Amino acid sequence: DGGITQSPKYLFRKEGQNVTLSCEQNLNHDAMYWYRQDPGQGLRLIYYSQIVNDFQKGDIAEGYSVSREKKESFPLTVTSAQKNPTAFYLCASSISAVPGYTFGSGTRLTVV
Amino acid sequence: GQQLNQSPQSMFIQEGEDVSMNCTSSSIFNTWLWYKQDPGEGPVLLIALYKAGELTSNGRLTAQFGITRKDSFLNISASIPSDVGIYFCAGQRGAGNMLTFGGGTRLMVKP
Repeated sequence: DGGITQSPKYLFRKEGQNVTLSCEQNLNHDAMYWYRQDPGQGLRLIYYSQIVNDFQKGDIAEGYSVSREKKESFPLTVTSAQKNPTAFYLCASSISAVPGYTFGSGTRLTVV
Repeated sequence: GQQLNQSPQSMFIQEGEDVSMNCTSSSIFNTWLWYKQDPGEGPVLLIALYKAGELTSNGRLTAQFGITRKDSFLNISASIPSDVGIYFCAGQRGAGNMLTFGGGTRLMVKP
């Protein structure tokens, strides 16, 4: 079955450490996205990529970095420069022939 | 970035009641979508609307694409406890364009 997989589901890190969240899709989608969701809040766009080897900043890119070396993969690194990294992170993908996005099941990052 | 105006922000209802929520925009969209997010999971597409005035049902859910193309409505009839979650509207201007999301409606259902 095709889908989009985020791992791990839960992640704990010490303050000051960088951490990388994985997002892999086998849907052959061209575009991929990272969103941040805080408790009781909506979705805020961090980064997006519409083709391999290219990505763009979203609304809240500071303190985050991404890469898109393969069509299937779009990892997000939360750096020590991110002031408040504890949140729920959602990855999504899309293809122009089909409206909307397919979302992963999310990674809950807790920084202690 | 732009967000759609989604209301209400939250609802606490009795099981069996009907629910209505809506989404408005200052600009036109050519596709409207409604997603549901279960607690601790990613959003899942419920209904997609492609034409102004279109009314589409999916079980107990009914959604409408506003005639002005600037709004959309979602109704849930006879709510049940598993309807709990956050409902997001999203607008898309054209194929391949990015989605613009509403802020979400948190639905809580009392058995």
